[in-house]
Amino acid sequence: DVKVTQSSRYLVKRTGEKVFLECVQDMDHENMFWYRQDPGLGLRLIYFSYDVKMKEKGDIPEGYSVSREKKERFSLILESASTNQTSMYLCASRGTNSPLHFGNGTRLTVT
Amino acid sequence: DQQVKQNSPSLSVQEGRISILNCDYTNSMFDYFLWYKKYPAEGPTFLISISSIKDKNEDGRFTVFLNKSAKHLSLHIVPSQPGDSAVYFCAASWVQGAQKLVFGQGTRLTINP
Repeated sequence: DVKVTQSSRYLVKRTGEKVFLECVQDMDHENMFWYRQDPGLGLRLIYFSYDVKMKEKGDIPEGYSVSREKKERFSLILESASTNQTSMYLCASRGTNSPLHFGNGTRLTVT
Repeated sequence: DQQVKQNSPSLSVQEGRISILNCDYTNSMFDYFLWYKKYPAEGPTFLISISSIKDKNEDGRFTVFLNKSAKHLSLHIVPSQPGDSAVYFCAASWVQGAQKLVFGQGTRLTINP
């Protein structure tokens, strides 16, 4: 069974802080994704990666960056957190022609 | 611009009856569609999918219907059970296995005993 693990369930950060959200998958999937979920907006893609050290912008990349140094780990970085980045962040992975497998999410609050 | 729309934020259905969740899309290039189910405090889980070459796909109590001319898909759950209470997201992509999925806003389904 695929397991996607997000390191924190809840985070509270201050405006201007640098924030790291970590995600690890155990199925040797090539592709990894970061989404955010907001009420009324559904899931929106921030960034994805199809291989180590490779990344592509999603629909809402502004204010975020990512890092993929190892195949199993994909990090989302908020360079300078702002209150409009308060959200539920969902990491996902997938192999070739397989559905997305999601982690349980990190609820980030920026005050 | 919302390319995938779920216009009903919530739906309440009696246990044992049929639940019908609807989804509309605007991009005619989409040709693969999926439904995901999400419980509180958990990530979404894959439920069922359909390719544009089909108009129906069935898996147990779950059936997805696709009407390409209307750019509309629906998920039918028969019979509905209390454990089906969750948020349902539809999603679309350009080809099966494409990197990007575009999600709708979600519909919260509540099954009443």
